[in-house]
Amino acid sequence: NAGVTQTPKFRVLKTGQSMTLLCAQDMNHEYMYWYRQDPGMGLRLIHYSVGEGTTAKGEVPDGYNVSRLKKQNFLLGLESAAPSQTSVYFCASPPFAPGLFRRNEQFFGPGTRLTVL
Amino acid sequence: DAKTTQPNSMESNEEEPVHLPCNHSTISGTDYIHWYRQLPSQGPEYVIHGLTSNVNNRMASLAIAEDRKSSTLILHRATLRDAAVYYCILIRRYYSGGSNYKLTFGKGTLLTVNP
Repeated sequence: NAGVTQTPKFRVLKTGQSMTLLCAQDMNHEYMYWYRQDPGMGLRLIHYSVGEGTTAKGEVPDGYNVSRLKKQNFLLGLESAAPSQTSVYFCASPPFAPGLFRRNEQFFGPGTRLTVL
Repeated sequence: DAKTTQPNSMESNEEEPVHLPCNHSTISGTDYIHWYRQLPSQGPEYVIHGLTSNVNNRMASLAIAEDRKSSTLILHRATLRDAAVYYCILIRRYYSGGSNYKLTFGKGTLLTVNP
């Protein structure tokens, strides 16, 4: 049971390039989230998904697209990367309902550090 | 969405208790109060959560005010490893043919632990 994994861990892009970040979870959870975190700031929600085949916009969705074709995977795409998208990206997959949290379960991925030149 | 307010930073000494406050005056009846922390260069990790009653686990205690408009995360004996940003968030469930909820974070409280 790996929890939440993210690939890649690091990436450097040039302005205008595209890429896809992959988040995978093996906990059979319905909910998955993508956040970005900039220096000195908290986490800002980009997009989220409440189940396979569904996605919804968060606080800062512009410039990003997502897909949830399989329950265990949540993909975040940058079609045309911009320097403003330089950030650390975190994926999270908490249990379906708050009451189902298991105390020692961690459901944030380790992060992807993206630099756009 | 309901908003939480936390101090930007707090300082503690090692081995002493720490009380991290959070105000959530617009909390609704179905909002759960969650606490997470983020160690340097890591993803956030779950600490504790509660609804109405105080909660204890091996990491911390959560004290919830009777009117639920504020809560306090209590670290009974701070260690250097507890230095982190602590986030208090509310998880709200919207019922629309299922359960939907956003999970939004504020800036949190930066806890410094002095040796």
